[in-house]
Amino acid sequence: KAGVTQTPRYLIKTRGQQVTLSCSPISGHRSVSWYQQTPGQGLQFLFEYFSETQRNKGNFPGRFSGRQFSNSRSEMNVSTLELGDSALYLCASSLRGIGTEAFFGQGTRLTVV
Amino acid sequence: SQQGEEDPQALSIQEGENATMNCSYKTSINNLQWYRQNSGRGLVHLILIRSNEREKHSGRLRVTLDTSKKSSSLLITASRAADTASYFCATVEFHSGGSNYKLTFGKGTLLTVNP
Repeated sequence: KAGVTQTPRYLIKTRGQQVTLSCSPISGHRSVSWYQQTPGQGLQFLFEYFSETQRNKGNFPGRFSGRQFSNSRSEMNVSTLELGDSALYLCASSLRGIGTEAFFGQGTRLTVV
Repeated sequence: SQQGEEDPQALSIQEGENATMNCSYKTSINNLQWYRQNSGRGLVHLILIRSNEREKHSGRLRVTLDTSKKSSSLLITASRAADTASYFCATVEFHSGGSNYKLTFGKGTLLTVNP
C-alpha cells in the first residue's frame, strides 16, 4: 500500500507570492489534515478535510486555506507569503480523522525569502 | 500556550537502557497520542491512549495516562540506536467552539541512544 505522498518536497518562494502544496493520502483514507512545523512554534495543526469538507480548523490566519478533491487528494494554499511562513508542512491521512491513528507524509520544506 | 509539554527536552542514554519521557497537559482530553520523528522517516504514529484507559503496550513501548494529574509517560524498553529521534505527545480535546476537535502537539523530547 502506497504511503502518503507530498509534493513538492522543497520549495523556495519570495515574500508576497502564493504557494500550493499537494498531498495524496493512503488509498481509502478520507481524512487529510495539515500541520506546520517550525523550530519556534513546533508542530501546529492547520486544518482537516474529510470527504471534501473542512471538518476541523486550527488557529491560523485566512491566508492559509485548503481543499480536498473527490479522490481525497488535498491541496493547501498559502497566499501573500511572509518570512514567518518558512516551515516544514506535513500532511497526514487517516481513516476516521484527527484524533485517530494518522499516517504522515515526508513533508514539504517551504522557504520564503 | 502549549497544551502538551514534554519532559525532559533532551535525553541521552546507552543502548539497552530504558528511556522514559513525560507529557503534561492542561485541559480535559479525548485521547493522547505519541509520535516519533526522525530525519529518515518523518513523523510516525506510535500509540494512542484514550482518556478512559490507564496503560497501553505496543512492542517495546509502554504508555500510561493519569487523567487526574493530566500527565502521560512513554517508556521505551531496551532502547536501540534506531530509537534516536524526537518524541512528541499530542492531545485531542473536544472543542465546541467552531471545530469539533482540537489537536495540540508538545514541543517534543529529543532522545539520543548511544551505541
